[in-house]
Amino acid sequence: QVLLQESGPGLVKPSETLSLMCTISGGSINSHYWTWVRQPPGRGLEWIGCINSGLTNYNPSLESRVTISVDTSKNQFSLKLSSATAADTAMYYCTRGFSGSTYAHWGQGVLVTVSS
Amino acid sequence: EIVLTQSPATLSLSPGERATLSCRASQSISNFLAWYQQKPGQAPRLLISDASNRATGIPARFSGSGSGTDFTLTISSLEPEDFAIYYCQQRRNWPITFGPGTKVDIK
Repeated sequence: QVLLQESGPGLVKPSETLSLMCTISGGSINSHYWTWVRQPPGRGLEWIGCINSGLTNYNPSLESRVTISVDTSKNQFSLKLSSATAADTAMYYCTRGFSGSTYAHWGQGVLVTVSS
Repeated sequence: EIVLTQSPATLSLSPGERATLSCRASQSISNFLAWYQQKPGQAPRLLISDASNRATGIPARFSGSGSGTDFTLTISSLEPEDFAIYYCQQRRNWPITFGPGTKVDIK
């Protein structure tokens, strides 16, 4: 059973970099599309981007500010979102894609608030 | 970017009734569509992949159909635990996109 767990600061100051980690247990990070999705309070789901075998794809709306990377030694992947604003306040989920980008395994999510 | 439109925005039904949710894509996505259920305070849960394949452990009352641009999620007889928000998601093209959701609430 694959389990994903997000971790990182719950509060980020405006203009700073939002940094989150997703730790995977019960499976290897060496395949699949490892993905970040976010959900602002009371709103819908927004795909941020993914990484697979070292190759990344990002949402064009965020691409200039996003970096997703993998640490295979720790079975983790990370999200960095620079120049954070209040609009980046959201629940952030990490998820694993199969058949490309169908998401059967999700972390519980971490709420990140951008505020001074 | 492929835009997904879901209708209705809210569906008010009673337990035991049939729910029919629609998802329309701005261009053909073949059958590369998934459906998710989300309850308050929980992560989304995969229900249907590739338009019509039920995910592991999903009850048979959930079914999906469609191809091209028009898709339907049907819940044949609503159980109390089915009142939630439902999202569709396409994987035909980057970026991956989700629909805005349909809320199924108790009438």
